[in-house]
Amino acid sequence: DTGVSQNPRHKITKRGQNVTFRCDPISEHNRLYWYRQTLGQGPEFLTYFQNEAQLEKSRLLSDRFSAERPKGSFSTLEIQRTEQGDSAMYLCASTWGQGAKTFGSGTRLTVV
Amino acid sequence: GEDVEQSLFLSVREGDSSVINCTYTDSSSTYLYWYKQEPGAGLQLLTYIFSNMDMKQDQRLTVLLNKKDKHLSLRIADTQTGDSAIYFCADGENKLIFGSGTRLLVRP
Repeated sequence: DTGVSQNPRHKITKRGQNVTFRCDPISEHNRLYWYRQTLGQGPEFLTYFQNEAQLEKSRLLSDRFSAERPKGSFSTLEIQRTEQGDSAMYLCASTWGQGAKTFGSGTRLTVV
Repeated sequence: GEDVEQSLFLSVREGDSSVINCTYTDSSSTYLYWYKQEPGAGLQLLTYIFSNMDMKQDQRLTVLLNKKDKHLSLRIADTQTGDSAIYFCADGENKLIFGSGTRLLVRP
C-alpha cells in the first residue's frame, strides 16, 4: 500500500464549471476525511466518513459541495458551479478509528 | 470555539536547535500532533504526544506538553536545511483543528 492517493494533482477550471476529485485511502482504514487549505492557512475540516456513512459536515461545505464514499473505499468530492473562492488545496486523509491521520498529497484547484 | 495558534515564522542557523510553539483551547483531546508540509505537498505526520504525557522524544524531535497552560512545543535538534518547511500543530479528537503553521527557514 502506497499511502493515501489523490487525483488529479492539479485542476484548472473556468468559473461555473463542475469539478470532481478522487481520494483512495489506505486500504484498511475505515475513516476518510476531506480538508481544504488556502494559501497561508492550516487545513480546515470539510467532512468525514466512517465506512460509507458521512458522519459530519462542516458549515464550510456549502450546497455546491457534495462528497460520497459509496463502497466505503475511495471517495469523491464534487464542487458544482465553481467560484474563484473555491481555489484551494483539497486534502484527503484516512485513519483506522481515532488513530493518527495519514494525508494524501492533495489536489490543487485553480478557478479562473 | 476550538482554536490553535502558532507563531508564523522562525529562522535558525543550520546545526542550531529550533523550537516551534503552539497554544490550543480544546483540552479534551487524547493526542496532539505535529505535521510537516513542504512546498506543494501534503502533510506528513512528524510525531504526536498522548495527552497524559509531558514529554516525548523521537530521534531529533522533542515534544513538550504543558496541559495547565495548553501549550505544546516541538524542538528540532541539529536543524538541517532539509527541515525547512511549514510545521503545523493539530488538536482534536476526531476532526483535527490546525494552526496556521510556522514557516521554518534554516540558513546555511
